[in-house]
Amino acid sequence: DSGVTQTPKHLITATGQRVTLRCSPRSGDLSVYWYQQSLDQGLQFLIQYYNGEERAKGNILERFSAQQFPDLHSELNLSSLELGDSALYFCASSASTGMVYGYTFGSGTRLTVV
Amino acid sequence: AQKVTQAQTEISVVEKEDVTLDCVYETRDTTYYLFWYKQPPSGELVFLIRRNSFDEQNEISGRYSWNFQKSTSSFNFTITASQVVDSAVYFCALSEAPTTSGTYKYIFGTGTRLKVLA
Repeated sequence: DSGVTQTPKHLITATGQRVTLRCSPRSGDLSVYWYQQSLDQGLQFLIQYYNGEERAKGNILERFSAQQFPDLHSELNLSSLELGDSALYFCASSASTGMVYGYTFGSGTRLTVV
Repeated sequence: AQKVTQAQTEISVVEKEDVTLDCVYETRDTTYYLFWYKQPPSGELVFLIRRNSFDEQNEISGRYSWNFQKSTSSFNFTITASQVVDSAVYFCALSEAPTTSGTYKYIFGTGTRLKVLA
């Protein structure tokens, strides 16, 4: 157990729907990161939050949004889902900066859009 | 621009063979960190090692060793006497110094799938 908790582990939904993925960071970590891993794209950085504030944006679609709550858990909202959104979504957390210590990853949420 | 290249898409070895996974990076920064992560078939990403740009000492941890060479911008990972449990996808990653806004760049290579055959 890495200390980063992601729920649900698996999610199957239909095109056009909206889903919410949840992440609880490791105790004491203030930064949360979301990554998308699809078969043909590798690990793509989506967005980072630090202590409730958005810090960096990567290749995140406008249909996707995220937030970090006061208790530091984070949610990634995916709307108007398309088949191509099927992927493994990872959450990671780190201390003040992941530059030095790297990330601790959760076990991921596998999203299948049918 | 920063970039991490793992040219080996997939490697297959027989158990007990040694195997080296290559990682080549590009960065303009003088301060940066390099990482290796392992993703076993179960899917989670496991942190293996980090190395800062000022420390070129090679590191050994059991059957794992890492060779960092700034002259060739490489950070290669060797598994000695490979085992079936080493079968996984291995990712190399690069982290650079924060920008003026406080954000920093952290990118992954595309990964190398290692298959260790019994």
